[in-house]
Amino acid sequence: GAVVSQHPSWVICKSGTSVKIECRSLDFQATTMFWYRQFPKQSLMLMATSNEGSKATYEQGVEKDKFLINHASLTLSTLTVTSAHPEDSSFYICSVGGSYNSPLHFGNGTRLTVT
Amino acid sequence: DAKTTQPPSMDCAEGRAANLPCNHSTISGNEYVYWYRQIHSQGPQYIIHGLKNNETNEMASLIITEDRKSSTLILPHATLRDTAVYYCIVPREYAGNMLTFGGGTRLMVKP
Repeated sequence: GAVVSQHPSWVICKSGTSVKIECRSLDFQATTMFWYRQFPKQSLMLMATSNEGSKATYEQGVEKDKFLINHASLTLSTLTVTSAHPEDSSFYICSVGGSYNSPLHFGNGTRLTVT
Repeated sequence: DAKTTQPPSMDCAEGRAANLPCNHSTISGNEYVYWYRQIHSQGPQYIIHGLKNNETNEMASLIITEDRKSSTLILPHATLRDTAVYYCIVPREYAGNMLTFGGGTRLMVKP
């Protein structure tokens, strides 16, 4: 299956600053990648679909101007949390590949802590 | 995704088989049943998927009932490293590769 690399694995930033998270598909050309968020003791929630060469599609309630997604190539999508606040502290996970009859593969996640 | 129902938690003794049930009574036609697991502080890991027939791979077996309304994931010899949250997901055919995660089953493998 696809190998997905996510970087950084953890980051601590101050309130008001921006943080960029990278998701790389190492062996699969991905026209679509997905970004999920997971708060403590909760399940994963889909935030947005990243589309290579076009705008991302955001789920209801996710602010597109706060969570900037760029998918400039078939192997890289980035999520930038702008003007981060403590409530943005969460576990962010990207996924690659799949269709209704083949599996998605996930990165190992990025733990963001905003102080 | 088609709604799935799983018990919130289960325990299993190390070395014994872990049988994790999932109900998906609204599953239809060409929709597959997928199982993923998430070990603490890691991204989800794909385990297995199936449509109608039982499936087996190096990680687990998947038993799907004949009416396809429920399935069971079997870890034949559970180890401590199998402690994780296990998610049963039935993606909607039209939704492609978008997944909706429910609460899953928290499996605790005990020595």
